[in-house]
Amino acid sequence: QQQVKQSPQSLIVQKGGIPIINCAYENTAFDYFPWYQQFPGKGPALLIAIRPDVSEKKEGRFTISFNKSAKQFSLHIMDSQPGDSATYFCAAAENYGGATNKLIFGTGTLLAVQP
Amino acid sequence: DAGVTQSPTHLIKTRGQQVTLRCSPKSGHDTVSWYQQALGQGPQFIFQYYEEEERQRGNFPDRFSGHQFPNYSSELNVNALLLGDSALYLCASSTGQVPEAFFGQGTRLTVV
Repeated sequence: QQQVKQSPQSLIVQKGGIPIINCAYENTAFDYFPWYQQFPGKGPALLIAIRPDVSEKKEGRFTISFNKSAKQFSLHIMDSQPGDSATYFCAAAENYGGATNKLIFGTGTLLAVQP
Repeated sequence: DAGVTQSPTHLIKTRGQQVTLRCSPKSGHDTVSWYQQALGQGPQFIFQYYEEEERQRGNFPDRFSGHQFPNYSSELNVNALLLGDSALYLCASSTGQVPEAFFGQGTRLTVV
């Protein structure tokens, strides 16, 4: 019940395309859903996050869509660029009392954006 | 703002040895969490420290221990190293005010 399932494992798109990465969860107590971007040899960098009280959030070229009833959320990258090539992780947490609870990560999606 | 800093960046240890990894949180952050990331996998939560106490712990053996200092920096100690402990160890800092957690660049531990 603590798992976060992520798909696809890898993704190749052309420059300008819109890669979509999907995640699903079971624990209905999760109430904070961030996405992280990780380049080789670096730590994960927070991209964007959403709470279950909204269905969509946009920050620049990154959009999260959230479906509470289906317990699914996804990341869309608009106008993708070769510099977006990285591994993307979804995560979930129970954000009790305003403190950050442990993050449960998906298995990651390796994205390659071809020029 | 230096962000979350970890040291050392790389480390090679022999099976059975002990290792200490260090983390300085982002300015203004009082909570430090440690994660283990095996090659090709997502980070796995080890434990979290707040006010110098271990607040939560993941599914890791007692060989993994930690400490938080009054200045909020933290150490991760691993005893009796196994080959399977080879991984990228990540430190994340946060504050009780907002849920966002920020990661350091990690320490790559290789056990031979």
